[in-house]
Amino acid sequence: KQEVTQIPAALSVPEGENLVLNCSFTDSAIYNLQWFRQDPGKGLTSLLLIQSSQREQTSGRLNASLDKSSGRSTLYIAASQPGDSATYLCAVRAGNNRKLIWGLGTSLAVNP
Amino acid sequence: GAGVSQSPSNKVTEKGKDVELRCDPISGHTALYWYRQRLGQGLEFLIYFQGNSAPDKSGLPSDRFSAERTGESVSTLTIQRTQQEDSAVYLCASSLVGGGLAGAYSGANVLTFGAGSRLTVL
Repeated sequence: KQEVTQIPAALSVPEGENLVLNCSFTDSAIYNLQWFRQDPGKGLTSLLLIQSSQREQTSGRLNASLDKSSGRSTLYIAASQPGDSATYLCAVRAGNNRKLIWGLGTSLAVNP
Repeated sequence: GAGVSQSPSNKVTEKGKDVELRCDPISGHTALYWYRQRLGQGLEFLIYFQGNSAPDKSGLPSDRFSAERTGESVSTLTIQRTQQEDSAVYLCASSLVGGGLAGAYSGANVLTFGAGSRLTVL
């Protein structure tokens, strides 16, 4: 059974710091992995999607990596800003499964 | 539309009443998902629609929950005889195609979420 874990559960950093959020999954037979951010009252925003054949994806200050063999993904945020404060969620889609399996998220606070 | 629209944004109801939640996906998106998020918990899959295929209802928690979607348009999630444990934010998402169908174009799998419907059962 696929399980997704995100560490840390909460993180507070000063503005400008580079940071890494971690996501681990138990079954390496995944189709893809997605990172989302959740802002209160605004639903979820998709940040990056990495296919199982890819190693990383980049969008602006965000870089997501995928290591299927070790069951890990990281989301790197460069030069963090207060506007980055949100909950970051990782979700994996198994090979033949239409469902996304979600982590519980990392709550990030970037302090000015 | 430009995004996924959900209504109502907030619903307070009494225990035992029926509620209906609506999701209007992005035009052209064949896949539509309903999720539930209880306070302090992760997202919980409820149901998945892909085009005209039979929906995947395996996440519905009880027979009080049902959902419909006509073609590739609006979907409604109905909760009958609501209970206090049904209180949650109900999120709808759509994507161009569903899981396993995107082929080489990974962007087709990307989910766009609505802002959610917050349900409070008193």
